Amino acid sequence: QVQLQESGPGLVKPSGTLSLTCAVSGGSISSSYWWTWVRQPPGKGLEWIGEIYHSGFTNYNPSLKSRITISVDKSKNQFSLKLSSVTAADTAVYYCARDASGTYFLGYWGQGTLVTVSS
Amino acid sequence: DIVMTQSPDSLAVSLGERATINCKSSQSVLYSSNNLNYLAWYQQKPGRPPKLLIYWASTRESGVPDRFSGSGSGTDFTLTISSLQAEDVAVYYCQQYYSTPRTFGQGTKLEIK
Repeated sequence: QVQLQESGPGLVKPSGTLSLTCAVSGGSISSSYWWTWVRQPPGKGLEWIGEIYHSGFTNYNPSLKSRITISVDKSKNQFSLKLSSVTAADTAVYYCARDASGTYFLGYWGQGTLVTVSS
Repeated sequence: DIVMTQSPDSLAVSLGERATINCKSSQSVLYSSNNLNYLAWYQQKPGRPPKLLIYWASTRESGVPDRFSGSGSGTDFTLTISSLQAEDVAVYYCQQYYSTPRTFGQGTKLEIK
């Protein structure tokens, strides 16, 4: 059973870069799945950030595209999110997730990590 | 972007009664080549990540109780809980995975009446 665990700073300064990692256990990051980031501002709904295939092919949300980078580190069996030029609007719980069977719907989720943007 | 609109925003139902949540997409999420609707439903309880309930609009995820069912095609979809249990109190989201960005509905909060 694959498990996902997010990690990274819980506090980022405005205009800085948010960097999160999702460690994958119970499965290989090199398997044919989509690895995804989703975020949820406090008390609000879910926002799809972007996804990366094991080959490195990415899809990003156009609303964030100029600021985000998602990458895979096969040597560490993990994938990462970088979001630059953050503002208070980027404060959210960030989830990493994996599709259930190579077809985009998200069957496996991390527990989520709260990132607050504040000086 | 495909906009997903759920209704209602909140819903209170008595234990044992039926709960129905609707989801409408701004364009069809039915892929004609395989006749599949690229629509999923998730359940999220407080402080927890979302949990996949339904995919392909009507296929129940393994382990999900059969009181949960999904229906619909094209642009109009429904999640039905046939007999509400206390543990079903949660926020429910639909998501289209037909195209990127893979957008979610705004969520429907389900409570006990």
